Amino acid sequence: QSVLTQPPSASGTPGQRVTISCSGSSSNIANFNVNWFQQLPGTAPKLLIYNNNQRPSGVPDRFSGSKSGTSASLAISGLQSEDEAEYYCATWDGSLTGHVFGPGTKVTVL
Amino acid sequence: VQLVESGGGLVQPGGSLRLSCAASGVIFSNYDMSWVRQAPGKGLEWVSSISNSGTSTFYAGSVKGRFTISRDNSKNTLTLLMNSLTSDDTAIYYCAKHWDVWGRGTTVTVAS
Repeated sequence: QSVLTQPPSASGTPGQRVTISCSGSSSNIANFNVNWFQQLPGTAPKLLIYNNNQRPSGVPDRFSGSKSGTSASLAISGLQSEDEAEYYCATWDGSLTGHVFGPGTKVTVL
Repeated sequence: VQLVESGGGLVQPGGSLRLSCAASGVIFSNYDMSWVRQAPGKGLEWVSSISNSGTSTFYAGSVKGRFTISRDNSKNTLTLLMNSLTSDDTAIYYCAKHWDVWGRGTTVTVAS
């Protein structure tokens, strides 16, 4: 049972905007940076957003991150078929003294 | 930049295994490193982290006291020593350079 909460699934049609939430608490999201990872089937995770809203080089600007209080969000605008994947939020938890991952959200492109 | 894990395999319950992660193309000693695992059909689970110098280590509650993370900056190698393994430790184990580079993973199966 993760200390972070994500919806198990999200979906949209090509071109739509999809938003994934990540809910935490004062011991994690509220006080530490959030990263987002994309995992395509059968592959290693890929860093999508770091430090709440920063995109690594090579990540399309269709992906954006935000954080407010104890929650963070990942938005995918202009949804494309290749965005079909599992998405995980992650942060540090000061109470657990360790990193924590959300349970993951499976994005389906209809 | 590349990370390559090795050392996975089939081990009996109660057994031990040593995983290694070889880094190339990066100044290894500059970066904190972690192990993250993924059980079959499940999500990502952070296992352990080590600071760039190796002086600080952190463990998930599920592995504390059984797993030991270490690094050799002279050999650009990260290691995870796993003892008292149970079926719950069956997973793909990834090493990651915080957090932008990941290896392809090595599979650990704990079964009799």
